[in-house]
Amino acid sequence: DAGVTQSPTHLIKTRGQQVTLRCSPKSGHDTVSWYQQALGQGPQFIFQYYEEEERQRGNFPDRFSGHQFPNYSSELNVNALLLGDSALYLCASSLWRGDGYTFGSGTRLTVV
Amino acid sequence: GESVGLHLPTLSVQEGDNSIINCAYSNSASDYFIWYKQESGKGPQFIIDIRSNMDKRQGQRVTVLLNKTVKHLSLQIAATQPGDSAVYFCAEINGGATNKLIFGTGTLLAVQP
Repeated sequence: DAGVTQSPTHLIKTRGQQVTLRCSPKSGHDTVSWYQQALGQGPQFIFQYYEEEERQRGNFPDRFSGHQFPNYSSELNVNALLLGDSALYLCASSLWRGDGYTFGSGTRLTVV
Repeated sequence: GESVGLHLPTLSVQEGDNSIINCAYSNSASDYFIWYKQESGKGPQFIIDIRSNMDKRQGQRVTVLLNKTVKHLSLQIAATQPGDSAVYFCAEINGGATNKLIFGTGTLLAVQP
C-alpha cells in the first residue's frame, strides 16, 4: 500500500519562473493538503483540496494555486517565484472527515 | 491569531533516559492534537494523537499529556534511543471550524550515546 508520493524530490528555479509540484495521495484517501516548510520552521498550511475544489486556504498569495484531479492526485503551482519561496513543500493526504494525515517526503524547492 | 509554540528548541538527552518535549497552544477551541517526528529529508511522521476529551494517552514508549487548563501539551519518550533523534512538532486542529493542521516551530531532540 503506497503512501503519499511527491515529485520531483528536488528542484531549482530562477526568480520569476513558474513551478508545478505533484502529489499522489495514499490509497483510499480523497483529500490533499499542501504545506510550506521553511528551514527550521514548522509546516505552514497553504490550501486543501477535496472533490476537485479548494476547500480551505491559508495565508498565501494568489501566486500559489492548485488543482485536484479525479483520481485524487494534486498539483501545486507557484507563479512569479521569489527567493522567499525556497522551502520544503509537503503534501498530506487524508479522508475528508477523517483525522489521519499521511505526509509525503516533500519537494525541496530552491529559488535562485 | 492561532499559534502553537514549543518551549525548548533543542533538547539533548543521554541514551536510555526519558525525554519530555513540551508544547503550548493558544486556541482553546482546538479539539485534536498530534505529535509528529521529522527526520532529515523526510516528511512528518505520526507518533501519537490525543483528543480534547482526554488528558493522557499512551503508545509504545510514548505518552502524550494534555492540560487544557493551561493549554499545554507534552510528549514523553521512555528509554530514548539514538533513532529517536529528530525534530518533533506538535500540531493542533479545530475540527469544528477547520481540519487544517497548525504546527509549532519544532524541538530538536539530540540523543547522546
